[in-house]
Amino acid sequence: TQLLEQSPQFLSIQEGENLTVYCNSSSVFSSLQWYRQEPGEGPVLLVTVVTGGEVKKLKRLTFQFGDARKDSSLHITAAQPGDTGLYLCAGERDTGKLIFGQGTTLQVKP
Amino acid sequence: EPEVTQTPSHQVTQMGQEVILRCVPISNHLYFYWYRQILGQKVEFLVSFYNNEISEKSEIFDDQFSVERPDGSNFTLKIRSTKLEDSAMYFCASTRESTYNSPLHFGNGTRLTVT
Repeated sequence: TQLLEQSPQFLSIQEGENLTVYCNSSSVFSSLQWYRQEPGEGPVLLVTVVTGGEVKKLKRLTFQFGDARKDSSLHITAAQPGDTGLYLCAGERDTGKLIFGQGTTLQVKP
Repeated sequence: EPEVTQTPSHQVTQMGQEVILRCVPISNHLYFYWYRQILGQKVEFLVSFYNNEISEKSEIFDDQFSVERPDGSNFTLKIRSTKLEDSAMYFCASTRESTYNSPLHFGNGTRLTVT
């Protein structure tokens, strides 16, 4: 069974702080995707990382794929209340079949 | 921007009844998926569908479940004889080509409540 362990599960921080969310597995994935999910909505793709060691930036969000393509991290710089939400990592081995992590619920307090 | 639409947004049914969850994928997409998320748990893959047939299915997707693309636009998930443990959010997703090259688009889900 492929597992993606995401940590932490809950994070409550003050506006302006930095944070990192981790996604770890013992399995190799062809790609790793990060999603954000708002209450009552489906996951929305933020980024896909494909190459081992790849780093992608999306404004204040930095995504990294581990060299061995087994793990990934999401770093948010100077978090804002608008960043509050559920962040999901998902590993892909076969087309469209994603293995999701448990999710990280982020709360950024003003 | 085109989006995946799902109906109904909330379905309440009695145990043992059949339900059909409907999805309209993005029009030029070729790969279709169903995922589910039990409250407080992970999003789980159920099934993938391409070229009018199932490509892959998970252990969850047993004989109780079936999918169909009855026309050029709809993609349905049928659950026969629903059980209490089928209560979950069911998400439809689609992509234009393999997700290696194009992103997966999710609908907003159908919340199924089995009583």
